[in-house]
Amino acid sequence: TQLLEQSPQFLSIQEGENLTVYCNSSSVFSSLQWYRQEPGEGPVLLVTVVTGGEVKKLKRLTFQFGDARKDSSLHITAAQPGDTGLYLCAGKGSNDYKLSFGAGTTVTVRA
Amino acid sequence: DSGVTQTPKHLITATGQRVTLRCSPRSGDLSVYWYQQSLDQGLQFLIQYYNGEERAKGNILERFSAQQFPDLHSELNLSSLELGDSALYFCASSVGGSLAHNEQFFGPGTRLTVL
Repeated sequence: TQLLEQSPQFLSIQEGENLTVYCNSSSVFSSLQWYRQEPGEGPVLLVTVVTGGEVKKLKRLTFQFGDARKDSSLHITAAQPGDTGLYLCAGKGSNDYKLSFGAGTTVTVRA
Repeated sequence: DSGVTQTPKHLITATGQRVTLRCSPRSGDLSVYWYQQSLDQGLQFLIQYYNGEERAKGNILERFSAQQFPDLHSELNLSSLELGDSALYFCASSVGGSLAHNEQFFGPGTRLTVL
């Protein structure tokens, strides 16, 4: 089992502030995905990172995959209330068919 | 809308009963995954099917079983229900069951309440 640890568990910030969520593991992943989940709904895929050191931007969201492909971060610039949700990272090993999910970071952006 | 459908949306039943949850994957997706999400345990992988065959198994109890039919829809059967089985159950689908990235698209979930 490949364990993914996310930090912090909870994050509450004011609208306009920046935030970073971390996803760490001792295992190497062939790819890592980030999802956002709103209460009572299914997770929605945000991005997939594949290459060590890769950086992907999605509007105000920046995703980075660690050089060793063991960790990842999600940075949100000028957060808005619509960014509120549970952010989940999920890693896939090269010999796995399934994803291993982290426990998630609950982000609350106050207006 | 992810294209993955799940029914029913809500299910309330009693301990000891048996229920069936249904999932239809996105058009063209061959893999179906089932997850259980409870407040204290996060998103737990249960089982994966690819083109009708079981491909990977997670923390699925013996009281639970699943199958994928020729039309690729899947059903998750939960029996001898206990209070602790109350949770959100999600189905997800992806294009293939190969060792590729397997980006998953989640359905809206079924909220199961066992009284």
